[in-house]
Amino acid sequence: AQSVTQPDIHITVSEGASLELRCNYSYGATPYLFWYVQSPGQGLQLLLKYFSGDTLVQGIKGFEAEFKRSQSSFNLRKPSVHWSDAAEYFCAVGFGSGNTGKLIFGQGTTLQVKP
Amino acid sequence: NAGVTQTPKFQVLKTGQSMTLQCAQDMNHEYMSWYRQDPGMGLRLIHYSVGAGITDQGEVPNGYNVSRSTTEDFPLRLLSAAPSQTSVYFCASIDGLNTEAFFGQGTRLTVV
Repeated sequence: AQSVTQPDIHITVSEGASLELRCNYSYGATPYLFWYVQSPGQGLQLLLKYFSGDTLVQGIKGFEAEFKRSQSSFNLRKPSVHWSDAAEYFCAVGFGSGNTGKLIFGQGTTLQVKP
Repeated sequence: NAGVTQTPKFQVLKTGQSMTLQCAQDMNHEYMSWYRQDPGMGLRLIHYSVGAGITDQGEVPNGYNVSRSTTEDFPLRLLSAAPSQTSVYFCASIDGLNTEAFFGQGTRLTVV
């Protein structure tokens, strides 16, 4: 079955430290890959996406993610975290041949930033 | 440009009541989806649609119905509300060109 796993439910980092959020997926082919961020009480905002080509993709707010086919992973990174990055982060995968609009989300990782 | 509009924002239902969550988009997207968000479980796909008149089930469709009579609207119906349906519901409209999903602000539903 298609699935998306975010192994870390909760991560705490100090402001200015680097960040890596993990995402693994289970699927037979290369899917579309996304990272979304959700601030408390808000909807979801797209950070970045990968369809094909360069496996390192840049997003908004200084985030980047790397697709590793051999590991079925799409980890999100940021070199220096800001207090405003505290939020919940979701990895999502688009499945199906072509574009069906069907997205499966991971369980989410809550990021806490210490001053 | 309103994007994706969900109504209502908050709702309290009694067990057994029915209601419809409304979702409208003004971006002319073919694809729309409904998700529910529960703590520790992320967003789970309830139903999705690839165009007017075409819908399909997602991961957790039981207890919910959908229809897509127009491109703009994708209502979600709860037939007989149960406490297990207490959740935050998000509607998404997906750009078919680049697969970016645009989300509404959510509906917080409590079933007592």
